[in-house]
Order: sequence, then structure tokens, then C-alpha cells
Amino acid sequence: GAVVSQHPSRVICKSGTSVKIECRSLDFQATTMFWYRQFPKQSLMLMATSNEGSKATYEQGVEKDKFLINHASLTLSTLTVTSAHPEDSSFYICSASQSGQGRFNQPQHFGDGTRLSIL
Amino acid sequence: AQTVTQSQPEMSVQEAETVTLSCTYDTSENNYYLFWYKQPPSRQMILVIRQEAYKQQNATENRFSVNFQKAAKSFSLKISDSQLGDTAMYFCAFMTGSNYQLIWGAGTKLIIKP
Repeated sequence: GAVVSQHPSRVICKSGTSVKIECRSLDFQATTMFWYRQFPKQSLMLMATSNEGSKATYEQGVEKDKFLINHASLTLSTLTVTSAHPEDSSFYICSASQSGQGRFNQPQHFGDGTRLSIL
Repeated sequence: AQTVTQSQPEMSVQEAETVTLSCTYDTSENNYYLFWYKQPPSRQMILVIRQEAYKQQNATENRFSVNFQKAAKSFSLKISDSQLGDTAMYFCAFMTGSNYQLIWGAGTKLIIKP
């Protein structure tokens, strides 16, 4: 149980292209989803917290117009990197927490990540 | 500020040995959860074990166990009978009741040698 699917796993595209990454909770409802960015040999950096039906909360320094997050349903959140440039190349990971009472004690379940390469 | 510190950037042990990864944290909260996640070369983030701060008993999951010292704010992970498949980055993290975000340590790279 608690499977999170992230797609695509790898994207290579030209500078200026917009790229959409999907994060789906397959067997549970996720009120909250998180988007992370991970640089090589480093820990995860939280970009934003996404709550179903409301605007995402972005961490300081993360451009909300650059990284568009949509969480339209309890099982799907999307991250769109708009007008991507080489400096946006990175590993992006989503996670989801199960909804319902007592969700504080629910661990985050992670997708397999998306490796984004902008040429 | 809430922080998580993993003081061992890299560790290496022989297969079948026992290894302990250290983690300390700092928070003024009293209600929180602690986690160890494993990230193998495939980059998938896998939950290894979790501990509720209000529980004194140390959590165990098969070969994985923790030594939770609340007063010292220490949360170490012990891997017994280590296997080649345990080779991975291990991240310590905690979550408080004030928000649902994970605070991450920098990670420890664990290499299990045959």
C-alpha cells in the first residue's frame, strides 16, 4: 500500500520549454503533497507544499511563477517548470501524505523522482 | 530553528557486520515524529523506520532498529547483519505537529562491502 507514482522519470528538453511532472497517489487519498528538489550528493530541498483545492505554499527563494503547482484532486498534483533553463536541471521528487484524522503521524511516501535535463 | 544533523558523511562496513548511523536534532516542540529514509542509487526514497517521540520504546523493523534518546535529542539507526542491498544514502528526518513538513539531515552514504 501507499504507492506514489511520479511521471515522467526522465526528461531531456531544450531551453525555453515548459515541462510538466505528475505525482499520483495510487491507493490512498493525499490531502497534502510535497515537491522537493535534490542536487547531486545533497539532501532534499523542499520547494512547496501542495494542499488539495488550495494554492500551494512555496518555500522562500522558490519562484512560484517558475514552478507552477496544481493539486486539483486528492490523488494528483502536478509541477510545471515554465520556460525551463539549464539551471533548472535537477532531480525533482514528490511525496504524499495520507489524508484523514491523525495525518500528523502519517509518513510521507515518495515517488521515484524525475531527472530533468535542460539543454 | 529546527535542525537535523548527521555527522557521518560516509561509512563503510563489511557485509554481515552491524553498523550504526548517528543523527541528532534540535527542536523546541514536544510532539514530533522521527524517520529514517533510505535512498539507493536508483534515487527512490524508501521509509526504513519511524519513531513517535512520545514512545519510550525504540522502534524496530527486522534488521533495522533505532536508539532514541529524547533528552539528548539523538536518534541513531542500527543495521544488523548488513547486506549488499543496504548500500544507499540514509537520511534522518523529523516532522512536528506544528506543520507536516519533514526537516532533513544532510545524509550518510553507507557502503556495504562484500
